[in-house]
Amino acid sequence: NAGVTQTPKFRVLKTGQSMTLLCAQDMNHEYMYWYRQDPGMGLRLIHYSVGEGTTAKGEVPDGYNVSRLKKQNFLLGLESAAPSQTSVYFCASIRTPGQGTQYFGPGTRLLVL
Amino acid sequence: EDQVTQSPEALRLQEGESSSLNCSYTVSGLRGLFWYRQDPGKGPEFLFTLYSAGEEKEKERLKATLTKKESFLHITAPKPEDSATYLCAVLSGNTGKLIFGQGTTLQVKP
Repeated sequence: NAGVTQTPKFRVLKTGQSMTLLCAQDMNHEYMYWYRQDPGMGLRLIHYSVGEGTTAKGEVPDGYNVSRLKKQNFLLGLESAAPSQTSVYFCASIRTPGQGTQYFGPGTRLLVL
Repeated sequence: EDQVTQSPEALRLQEGESSSLNCSYTVSGLRGLFWYRQDPGKGPEFLFTLYSAGEEKEKERLKATLTKKESFLHITAPKPEDSATYLCAVLSGNTGKLIFGQGTTLQVKP
């Protein structure tokens, strides 16, 4: 049981490049979330999923896309990276509402030049 | 609109000086209020989940309580190792969104 893992841990991109961040969980959790964390801004919800094949927009979805083709994986894509997307990205999962322990991944540091 | 507000933004305590952190919320169909601890450079670490008004949970020097509008994280006789940022989040049963507050940064001096 590895919990929640994120790939990669660190990445440097040039403006306009694309990339995909992978979040994987082996706990059979239904709900998965992508957040970004910037200094003084707390954790802001980008996109989330309440089950395999479903996705929904969070607070700051612009410039990002997501997919949840398999229950255990939640992918976050940046089609054309911008310096404003420099941040630390965290993935989280929870089994279902009412089953309370939630797990976070270790984070991905992204620098867009 | 779902919203979470934490106060104060920062708190400095002397070792042994008890205090409380506040988390005020509005959410459609609360399905859980979560507290986390985050150390610099690391991901949030889960502490508690509260589900209904009147519920309380404890872990070592920490105690979390919940009302219909807010939650408190009480820290009793804190130690320097309790220094961290404490985050609060609410899960909406209507949408599935998990929304965070800005956090309270706690510093405990020896």
